[in-house]
Amino acid sequence: DSGVTQTPKHLITATGQRVTLRCSPRSGDLSVYWYQQSLDQGLQFLIQYYNGEERAKGNILERFSAQQFPDLHSELNLSSLELGDSALYFCASSVVGGQNNEQFFGPGTRLTVL
Amino acid sequence: QQQVKQSPQSLIVQKGGISIINCAYENTAFDYFPWYQQFPGKGPALLIAIRPDVSEKKEGRFTISFNKSAKQFSLHIMDSQPGDSATYFCAASSGGYQKVTFGIGTKLQVIP
Repeated sequence: DSGVTQTPKHLITATGQRVTLRCSPRSGDLSVYWYQQSLDQGLQFLIQYYNGEERAKGNILERFSAQQFPDLHSELNLSSLELGDSALYFCASSVVGGQNNEQFFGPGTRLTVL
Repeated sequence: QQQVKQSPQSLIVQKGGISIINCAYENTAFDYFPWYQQFPGKGPALLIAIRPDVSEKKEGRFTISFNKSAKQFSLHIMDSQPGDSATYFCAASSGGYQKVTFGIGTKLQVIP
């Protein structure tokens, strides 16, 4: 158990819909990362937040958005869903600035778009 | 642009053998090179990591070899065991906010 929690574990929805994925980082970690994992694309970095502010952006679509709240939990919002958005979405957290730059991953949310 | 190239994408090794996974990077600003291990249904977990000031790091049966001039690094799993069967990701990052670029992953199967 990494200490990172993600909800829900599974999500099944239809094309065109909007969903919200939630992540709670490890206690004390200020940085949260979102990744998308699909079979053909591997782990794709989407976005990073540090203490409530966006710090880095990766291959995140305009239909997707995220935020980190004052209590440091984060939400990833996916809208106008398409079949190709079906994937595993991971959240990770880390202590920025430490000697060990390890990211701790949550168990993931499996999104299925029908 | 794939900044970290990983090969092979799949690997089958017999129990007791050596598993070798290779990665190459392009960005010379990368200064931290972790390997993550992912079992089915789980999130990736850090296995071992290296910084470019050393050429090798060993933790138990797992060794990272690092060649800074060639911009390559590799993971060696000695005495591979069926329990090592998982997907392995190499990665690289730089800077204080640790944006990590992952390789495509290698699915390792260790057969008895």
